[in-house]
Amino acid sequence: DTAVSQTPKYLVTQMGNDKSIKCEQNLGHDTMYWYKQDSKKFLKIMFSYNNKELIINETVPNRFSPKSPDKAHLNLHINSLELGDSAVYFCASSQWHRFLAGGASTDTQYFGPGTRLTVL
Amino acid sequence: GNSVTQMEGPVTLSEEAFLTINCTYTATGYPSLFWYVQYPGEGLQLLLKATKADDKGSNKGFEATYRKETTSFHLEKGSVQVSDSAVYFCALISRDFGNEKLTFGTGTRLTIIP
Repeated sequence: DTAVSQTPKYLVTQMGNDKSIKCEQNLGHDTMYWYKQDSKKFLKIMFSYNNKELIINETVPNRFSPKSPDKAHLNLHINSLELGDSAVYFCASSQWHRFLAGGASTDTQYFGPGTRLTVL
Repeated sequence: GNSVTQMEGPVTLSEEAFLTINCTYTATGYPSLFWYVQYPGEGLQLLLKATKADDKGSNKGFEATYRKETTSFHLEKGSVQVSDSAVYFCALISRDFGNEKLTFGTGTRLTIIP
């Protein structure tokens, strides 16, 4: 019973192609994320969706377009792939907690196994 | 903005040695602090967390205490095992709605030799 799953695990493709990575979570969370891990293991957030609404977009090129058909899914589509897109992409999810006094916060994020994208 | 600075690796220790991986942070407000671990070829797993000052997170023999006065969250383990070999990431999450992203340190690769 996988909590956060991603497909495919490995993706090898040519420069200029368009590809998609899928992510699904069965934790009942309302917030999902995409992170990129470069060759030096540095992790950086790309996008965040809360209840299918985009709430974080970290200066990612327009070639990257996330799509959230429902709360349990957040897919990442990449157009015109470039060599520099080669990385491991991680999906994650968490639950927002809204406080009676106002405001909200999220807590632990649970990560998928990652998709290793290699652009040739 | 938020940032996390952690000890440069790689770190190599003998089995049963004492481990410390330093982590300091800068953040607005009162962030939650985390240690994640990435075993070879796998995704990130939450190792432990602390959500307020003086909280101690612990799991699998690892501990870290949220020190607001020194803005630190150092990871410690009294006796490491070969199976602890992995990359360890310190991270924080701010509590501003619309800015609740995890900010990671650069990761510390730990290798334990028998």
